[in-house]
Amino acid sequence: EAGVAQSPRYKIIEKRQSVAFWCNPISGHATLYWYQQILGQGPKLLIQFQNNGVVDDSQLPKDRFSAERLKGVDSTLKIQPAKLEDSAVYLCASSSGAGGSTPLHFGNGTRLTVT
Amino acid sequence: QKEVEQNSGPLSVPEGAIASLNCTYSDRGSQSFFWYRQYSGKSPELIMFIYSNGDKEDGRFTAQLNKASQYVSLLIRDSQPSDSATYLCASVTGANNLFFGTGTRLTVIP
Repeated sequence: EAGVAQSPRYKIIEKRQSVAFWCNPISGHATLYWYQQILGQGPKLLIQFQNNGVVDDSQLPKDRFSAERLKGVDSTLKIQPAKLEDSAVYLCASSSGAGGSTPLHFGNGTRLTVT
Repeated sequence: QKEVEQNSGPLSVPEGAIASLNCTYSDRGSQSFFWYRQYSGKSPELIMFIYSNGDKEDGRFTAQLNKASQYVSLLIRDSQPSDSATYLCASVTGANNLFFGTGTRLTVIP
């Protein structure tokens, strides 16, 4: 079974620029998550999709972050404009279940550096 | 108050010893708990999950859950240098949200 695919692996941008990340979940997984992991901290949920609908985006900074999941498969996460504090690893995860009780499968992440 | 709290460590144990990792959670409605291992520069990978009070064993790993004390732990027996990593505790709240702790960094000394 192919894992969760993410790209790019690394991205360096200047503050106020925009950036986009892509995620392809495990085939058949209905639930997709985007997490932000700042160095030395645990992953923080940004947004959760169930198929192509948003389940939880309460911690997504909506003034600068946006995400979509077209056709209930691939997803993109965008930051515009980026701030220095957005430097982090952005992890995409998917699960076969509908809620948080189903184990998550993580992608390799995108390491973002904002200078 | 954070949903899930862990001692950030680092925790150092000699090879062959038992490593004990602890986690507390604040939401009494939490029903499911997970332990993920994260090697430096890598993404988290699931080690174990536990839903019921008591112990759950899987090879060298034992997860323990005490809902009355809102406490979850992970024991690693016969610790190996390859176990050196950050261990993340996660709980699913009553609102069905998954929260991660900050992780405990474990170093197993050969």
